Formats: sequence, C-alpha cells, structure tokens
Amino acid sequence: GEDVEQSLFLSVREGDSSVINCTYTDSSSTYLYWYKQEPGAGLQLLTYIFSNMDMKQDQRLTVLLNKKDKHLSLRIADTQTGDSAIYFCAEQTGGYQKVTFGIGTKLQVIP
Amino acid sequence: DTEVTQTPKHLVMGMTNKKSLKCEQHMGHRAMYWYKQKAKKPPELMFVYSYEKLSINESVPSRFSPECPNSSLLNLHLHALQPEDSALYLCASSQDRGRDNTEAFFGQGTRLTVV
Repeated sequence: GEDVEQSLFLSVREGDSSVINCTYTDSSSTYLYWYKQEPGAGLQLLTYIFSNMDMKQDQRLTVLLNKKDKHLSLRIADTQTGDSAIYFCAEQTGGYQKVTFGIGTKLQVIP
Repeated sequence: DTEVTQTPKHLVMGMTNKKSLKCEQHMGHRAMYWYKQKAKKPPELMFVYSYEKLSINESVPSRFSPECPNSSLLNLHLHALQPEDSALYLCASSQDRGRDNTEAFFGQGTRLTVV
C-alpha cells in the first residue's frame, strides 16, 4: 500500500542544521521527493532521489535514503529564516505516474 | 522554461456556477496532473493525463470534469460544486516515460472558494 509518514513540526535556530524525516511503505517506489510549500503558495520541488541511490547532495540539501528501512531524510545545512515552510516528502510508485505525499512537516526557523 | 502556469490564482464561485481552471506548460511534458489540497493537508491526486488521455481518475465526483485539449494544456471544469470543495487546486506535469518517470513540476495553484 501507499502511506507516507512525517512528523508535523520541527523548530530550529538560524544557522543550525535541520533534519526532516519521512517513512514510506511502498517498496516499489521509484523516485522519492522533497517539496517545499510556503504559506499560500504552490509546491516547489527541492530535490529528489532515485530509489537505487543512498545519498544525494545539492548545495545545502542532503537527502539520505535507507531503502531497507524505507526511511528518507532531508538535511538542510545552515538553516535560514527563509527556509521556514512546510516540507512534504513524496513517493512515486513504480509503474504509475502517481505521486503520494506525506502530511508535511512545518519547519520553524528561530532567528 | 520550467514553469507550470495556472489561472486564475483565486476563484470564488457559487454552487450553481460553472467555471474552469486552466493549466499550461511548455516543457514538452506528456503527463499532466490535477491535485486538490485542503488546508493543513497534503495534496491528493485527482486525475492524471498521459499523452492527452485520462489514465488515472481517483474516484473524483463528476462535478469535476478534466479536459486535456493538447499536450500543453490541462483544464478542470467545475459545475455544481459544494462548499467542501473549497481548496487549493494544483496542476503538475512531468515527462512520461512510464516506470522511469521524472520529477513532477507544480504550478502555484488556484485557490478556490465555493460559497
């Protein structure tokens, strides 16, 4: 089945690292995504990882994938106030174009 | 151009009105999607079009009617909606290579209020 779980809220101080975690259930997932949504706005694709990768780094963002435990994380280095938003983990199930989202983690960055 | 453009940005409609949401992309993507997002909830898939043909309908009520007139355009026709249909409607597109599908790009959404 398809079920993506995330914690609801994370608060960090400006300059610290943030780590947002996600678990998923569909072992046939091909791509796993992180999207950012600011208040009243649409979704911005931050990064994605293909299911045969363990890690992907893109500037301040590091994605780690543990396929055995079906665990995905997003690390934001040197978190800034502009990073405050809701972060959605999403999985794309193999053979379909369907992308299923987690509930979203609200990241609050304290100056 | 990596944009998915949605119009209008905001829409208020009565329960007896007929309106349409529009979505456009010029990235050559052949898969296009409609998602619905209620407040404080994740987006939920409504429809997927692949090569201008409807490939997924997630049991959406018939008061929502999608249309894909060509590979760049996706419409969502609305008729006799209910107040609980008020939500942010998101359009997305991606290249369609079947199992090797690539990332989906989302538009900014249309915020719909049904009164």
